[in-house]
Amino acid sequence: KNEVEQSPQNLTAQEGEFITINCSYSVGISALHWLQQHPGGGIVSLFMLSSGKKKHGRLIATINIQEKHSSLHITASHPRDSAVYICAVTLYRHYQLIWGAGTKLIIKP
Amino acid sequence: ETGVTQTPRHLVMGMTNKKSLKCEQHLGHNAMYWYKQSAKKPLELMFVYSLEERVENNSVPSRFSPECPNSSHLFLHLHTLQPEDSALYLCASSQDLANEQYFGPGTRLTVT
Repeated sequence: KNEVEQSPQNLTAQEGEFITINCSYSVGISALHWLQQHPGGGIVSLFMLSSGKKKHGRLIATINIQEKHSSLHITASHPRDSAVYICAVTLYRHYQLIWGAGTKLIIKP
Repeated sequence: ETGVTQTPRHLVMGMTNKKSLKCEQHLGHNAMYWYKQSAKKPLELMFVYSLEERVENNSVPSRFSPECPNSSHLFLHLHTLQPEDSALYLCASSQDLANEQYFGPGTRLTVT
């Protein structure tokens, strides 16, 4: 079993839909990261959080430390949101990131 | 130039060639990373440098040789690679270890 599990692996939705991507982890962490990777490779950090909730534009990230679970939500989804969304965790008292396999999101117009 | 840049963006090399990948960060960070991303697999951390000292070498074959001449530049020297080394190689930087990492666009490497 991977230490960081994401679901779903693939998600196709219509423009405007509310999107939820989930991440569960089994290790002690100091922070959880959500990142976005567009076709072509570049990775952009969306959120780094250790508790509660963060919001940036149409993106919302939440984390439940007790349940070792995080969600990334996209409101009013748009085709330009199509990308791979990756969850990663920073191990407690360490700097190394443990990466999830990613969720490929396609938003159709 | 802003952020993290990588050159070349694409590289095709034979198994007997020697080439180098270059990464430059313009963010004033003191830690830099090399990652390998193979198709349909999570990112694999290869090397970590903090304050120009290597702090991590994740059992990477010796045909990959990193170099960090200063806090802004990171190289990955490649020699006698194998076809299974074909992948996207990503560089990242951060201010101190364990903080948010900023990624370059990657170098798509194909070994023929």
